[in-house]
Amino acid sequence: GDSVTQMEGPVTLSEEAFLTINCTYTATGYPSLFWYVQYPGEGLQLLLKATKADDKGSNKGFEATYRKETTSFHLEKGSVQVSDSAVYFCALSDYTGRRALTFGSGTRLQVQP
Amino acid sequence: DAGVIQSPRHEVTEMGQEVTLRCKPISGHDYLFWYRQTMMRGLELLIYFNNNVPIDDSGMPEDRFSAKMPNASFSTLKIQPSEPRDSAVYFCASSLTGLGSYNEQFFGPGTRLTVL
Repeated sequence: GDSVTQMEGPVTLSEEAFLTINCTYTATGYPSLFWYVQYPGEGLQLLLKATKADDKGSNKGFEATYRKETTSFHLEKGSVQVSDSAVYFCALSDYTGRRALTFGSGTRLQVQP
Repeated sequence: DAGVIQSPRHEVTEMGQEVTLRCKPISGHDYLFWYRQTMMRGLELLIYFNNNVPIDDSGMPEDRFSAKMPNASFSTLKIQPSEPRDSAVYFCASSLTGLGSYNEQFFGPGTRLTVL
């Protein structure tokens, strides 16, 4: 079945540091890939998405590239801010059947001033 | 649009009591999902509906859990009887089929359930 593997957290960075959160996936067919973010006490919000190989999703300074050859969708940001502190979830949607998203375990990011 | 609405936001109950969680999806969306989030198991899909019909309930933990969607604007998740291990945050999400939607799901703020 489908699965998503994310790097273990928490990730602690200083403000303006470079961020990478690794995500790899296993899926049948050609899934769409997503990053969701969850701020404390809130529900998940879509951060960015990519629907086919080599697509780059970007939003709010974050970006991720859909790499079919390595089955990866790593999240990056060049300069993090304290306000980026949250839990980040990688997810996939496989259109060959099930409509629900398959989520990774989440990676907590803490940015210190 | 107000987004996905869930109620209550917090629920504290005693073991053995019935609990009902409610969700109003975004108007016009045809898919509705119920997820459960715990520290141990992360985000798990419990059940999802398409046009008010349950499509996949394989994630429902046991017979104590039931979900209904009587119309396009309302869904409930019921736990009877509740147990301490049901303590979690329960999220409802909705999405819209169609070209370009890419199955983006919109999440509600969640209901934090504590069973004592």
